[in-house]
Amino acid sequence: ETGVTQTPRHLVMGMTNKKSLKCEQHLGHNAMYWYKQSAKKPLELMFVYSLEERVENNSVPSRFSPECPNSSHLFLHLHTLQPEDSALYLCASSQDWGAREKLFFGSGTQLSVL
Amino acid sequence: DAKTTQPTSMDCAEGRAANLPCNHSTISGNEYVYWYRQIHSQGPQYIIHGLKNNETNEMASLIITEDRKSSTLILPHATLRDTAVYYCIVRAPSRSNTGKLIFGQGTTLQVKP
Repeated sequence: ETGVTQTPRHLVMGMTNKKSLKCEQHLGHNAMYWYKQSAKKPLELMFVYSLEERVENNSVPSRFSPECPNSSHLFLHLHTLQPEDSALYLCASSQDWGAREKLFFGSGTQLSVL
Repeated sequence: DAKTTQPTSMDCAEGRAANLPCNHSTISGNEYVYWYRQIHSQGPQYIIHGLKNNETNEMASLIITEDRKSSTLILPHATLRDTAVYYCIVRAPSRSNTGKLIFGQGTTLQVKP
């Protein structure tokens, strides 16, 4: 148990659906991250939030929309996705923005887009 | 961030020490070495990090050569649950960096009975 919980663990959606991924951390951390891991590819950083403010957006398509209502929760809203968006989506947190080398990851949401 | 080179895969017998090497010949003086691992279908897990001195914690030991151009992660008594992809990452302190940790391809460690 890492203290970072992601739901759902698995998600299958059609290209016209709208869904949301949820992440909650119980570590008292101030920074949260979304990473994407496609098959046979390294992890890709998508978004970073520090104290509920977005501090990084790494050229992610607008069909992915993050939301950070407070320092414990992070969402990734999905709409009109493409099959190539199928991947493992990982949430992580760090104590604060200054400690971003020591990340605590959740188990991820395995997303399949049909 | 300095580039790292790791073997693609390694095997280790259960109960024996697993020694995972990492080359980082272009490392700068202020860059740390971080190790993470990723067990199948889970998120990466932080293991250990160091600057130049050897480090040990409850999970592993990190040995960094004197010239800092390479390091070795040691799992002293590998178990089947240590089967995972191990990532070596070199990175300077955060102050001026982005949030992007570059995980690379890592080393797939297979612990065998």
